[in-house]
Amino acid sequence: QSALTQPPSASGSPGQSVTISCTGTSSDVGAYNYVSWYQQHPGKAPKLMIYGVSKRPSGVPDRFSGSKSGNTASLTVSGLQAEDEADYYCNSFAGSNNVVFGGGTKLTVL
Amino acid sequence: EVQLVESGGGLVQPGGSLRLSCAASGFTFSNYWMGWVRQAPGKGLEWVANIKEDGTEKNYVDSVKGRFTISRDNAKKSLYLQMNSLRAEDTAVYYCARDLGWYVLDIWGQGTMVTVSS
Repeated sequence: QSALTQPPSASGSPGQSVTISCTGTSSDVGAYNYVSWYQQHPGKAPKLMIYGVSKRPSGVPDRFSGSKSGNTASLTVSGLQAEDEADYYCNSFAGSNNVVFGGGTKLTVL
Repeated sequence: EVQLVESGGGLVQPGGSLRLSCAASGFTFSNYWMGWVRQAPGKGLEWVANIKEDGTEKNYVDSVKGRFTISRDNAKKSLYLQMNSLRAEDTAVYYCARDLGWYVLDIWGQGTMVTVSS
């Protein structure tokens, strides 16, 4: 199973919006509404930010939103804040007890 | 407080073995799938294995099948990963995580470092 494709980097100024894409195939992202997004600060454990394509766990700011179109899922961070600077990873259920992760995107707040 | 704490990492020679442990607290451990995810230095996340609530179903990434064994002890609220025939490419931080289903990993431990080197 190939990894999901994410851009290596993304950036935006405080207050702006940034969207990170996660491209898979018709066997994973396109087939199931089970895409999750994780935030990871340097030296820390990942944190679940979005699940089920667009659902936010309790405690995650509503500045974070998720969507999907075809084989591509997206994470949008609105009203960028300095603390949003981190690595972001997507994952998707891929059927038959399989899961694939994206390669990660480093988000820089300028 | 919901918490996962890993232990057991360290330096091991190629071909050696290591057993990782993950202690859970703050939630009913026996009600959840659990899993292991690893991250090689400077690299992305890679799912390794998971196990059903009662331990009757286990899944592994192809690269560790036959070498790694995931297990759990619900009475001790603990998750384990027995790693045998270790290779240099197994070097990574290993995280245990609670799996809500469909590989939605909502609680993560702080990770334990495994280094395979001679």
